[in-house]
Amino acid sequence: GENVEQHPSTLSVQEGDSAVIKCTYSDSASNYFPWYKQELGKGPQLIIDIRSNVGEKKDQRIAVTLNKTAKHFSLHITETQPEDSAVYFCAALPSGNTPLVFGKGTRLSVIA
Amino acid sequence: DSGVTQTPKHLITATGQRVTLRCSPRSGDLSVYWYQQSLDQGLQFLIQYYNGEERAKGNILERFSAQQFPDLHSELNLSSLELGDSALYFCASSVGQGNTEAFFGQGTRLTVV
Repeated sequence: GENVEQHPSTLSVQEGDSAVIKCTYSDSASNYFPWYKQELGKGPQLIIDIRSNVGEKKDQRIAVTLNKTAKHFSLHITETQPEDSAVYFCAALPSGNTPLVFGKGTRLSVIA
Repeated sequence: DSGVTQTPKHLITATGQRVTLRCSPRSGDLSVYWYQQSLDQGLQFLIQYYNGEERAKGNILERFSAQQFPDLHSELNLSSLELGDSALYFCASSVGQGNTEAFFGQGTRLTVV
């Protein structure tokens, strides 16, 4: 089955710097890759997603890139702000009607 | 607000007891997914229902069961509770069977003492 690896597990950046979180997946048939942000005491919130037919997607300060050949995808946050501090999860959706497979999460701390 | 409602938000119970967690999906969503999140752990998939029928099963213990009702709300039943069952339990919903654009509720924090 699908396996998703996420790195790093923790990341600290200065306010205004960029943050990059990387994930790899094992199932080449996976075709949908969402990213979730989980703030303390809250449920995961979908922040951006990408499908296998595109290589990059951007939404204001966040962007996701996908390399199908290498089977990895990344989340890029530019001009980080303290409110970006949270745990971020990547996920992959294998083909067929199977559930999302999540990475183990990255705890991002943005230092003011 | 994701539109997914989970109750209760907090639950404290003793070992050996049984509890029921409730989830109301977003309006129009037919799929409901249950996840368990232990301390500093990722999201472990438990079970999925689509339009009232079980669609996929993950690492769900035999002591746990779930169902989805005709009005599409879902309940997760946890029985013979153990200390290790203490965790956050999340429900998510999506329109179709494959959970693209799945939206999560705020979770139920279960503490077993």
